[in-house]
Amino acid sequence: DAGVTQSPTHLIKTRGQQVTLRCSPKSGHDTVSWYQQALGQGPQFIFQYYEEEERQRGNFPDRFSGHQFPNYSSELNVNALLLGDSALYLCASSTQQVLETQYFGPGTRLLVL
Amino acid sequence: QKEVEQNSGPLSVPEGAIASLNCTYSDRGSQSFFWYRQYSGKSPELIMFIYSNGDKEDGRFTAQLNKASQYVSLLIRDSQPSDSATYLCAVDTGGGNKLTFGTGTQLKVEL
Repeated sequence: DAGVTQSPTHLIKTRGQQVTLRCSPKSGHDTVSWYQQALGQGPQFIFQYYEEEERQRGNFPDRFSGHQFPNYSSELNVNALLLGDSALYLCASSTQQVLETQYFGPGTRLLVL
Repeated sequence: QKEVEQNSGPLSVPEGAIASLNCTYSDRGSQSFFWYRQYSGKSPELIMFIYSNGDKEDGRFTAQLNKASQYVSLLIRDSQPSDSATYLCAVDTGGGNKLTFGTGTQLKVEL
């Protein structure tokens, strides 16, 4: 049973560029949440997707957007990258019935130069 | 003011001892409380969650919740070197598992 997978594992971009990160949820899961974790900090909630719609959003600017596909996989897009966007981006999946049992993927480490 | 606060540590305990990790939160309306473990360079893993005041036990782990004091703790009995990690406290502040995390407490279990 495959767990949550994310791609790519590492990414280097320059300021002003755009990036797309991808996530495949654990088998049987229909809800995907995205988090940003800066070095030495706890994860910060970006948004959550269910039934291809953004259901909840954290305190992140509109430069951060996402999408969920019919197969429940998800993308996180960040436009106009800033140096401060350098972080580990984590995807987590769960089911709507048991949201509390959330599994995190290995993350994508983004470095913005 | 941070919504979820934890002592960053490191907290050092000898092998076999009880490790006690603490967390306070500011939103009195919070309903769900979580403990995650994160090894260096890895992603967080859910240890347990708790809704009701009192204790909840799962193996060597016990979560304790006191809503009146806005305080949640995690006890790890018979600590092992493999328990050395950062422990993240999280609170569902918006419902629907919209989690707010603390900065984590680093635990070191020494031989």
